[in-house]
Amino acid sequence: DVKVTQSSRYLVKRTGEKVFLECVQDMDHENMFWYRQDPGLGLRLIYFSYDVKMKEKGDIPEGYSVSREKKERFSLILESASTNQTSMYLCASSSGLMAGGNSPLHFGNGTRLTVT
Amino acid sequence: GENVGLHLPTLSVQEGDNSIINCAYSNSASDYFIWYKQESGKGPQFIIDIRSNMDKRQGQRVTVLLNKTVKHLSLQIAATQPGDSAVYFCAENDSGAGSYQLTFGKGTKLSVIP
Repeated sequence: DVKVTQSSRYLVKRTGEKVFLECVQDMDHENMFWYRQDPGLGLRLIYFSYDVKMKEKGDIPEGYSVSREKKERFSLILESASTNQTSMYLCASSSGLMAGGNSPLHFGNGTRLTVT
Repeated sequence: GENVGLHLPTLSVQEGDNSIINCAYSNSASDYFIWYKQESGKGPQFIIDIRSNMDKRQGQRVTVLLNKTVKHLSLQIAATQPGDSAVYFCAENDSGAGSYQLTFGKGTKLSVIP
């Protein structure tokens, strides 16, 4: 089974802090994704990466950056955390050229971030 | 997440009955569809997928139906069990657009009454 591991289940940070969310997958997947999930808004794509050192903006990249130095690891960075970034953050990975074309996304269990 | 079920349409079903969860999608060019299940405190879990060249696909206790004419997708769960209680999301992808992305629906919360 594919395993996508997010390093923290819960995080509490202060406004203005730099925050790192880490994600590791163990299936040698090319594609990795960061989503946030909010009640009433569903899952929204922040950034994705289809190869090491490659990244693409999703629907809501503002206030975030990402890093993919190794194939198995994809980090989400909040440069200066704000209260409107309080959310559930979900990492996902998939194989193949396209997320939906060849394999479905496999998700981690999420990191619930609270910014105070 | 823990509160992902807030503000969602809810379907309540008696244990043992069949459940039907519906999803309307927006992009007529979408050619790949997935259903996910999300239990409280966990990430979405893949259930079943279907490509647009099919109108029905069956898995274990689940069936997905696709009606491209009206852009409608449904998930049928046979003999619903308490463990089926979760939020269910449909997702669509337009692979012809070279897209890596899935577009997710808002979800439906399924509550199974014992």
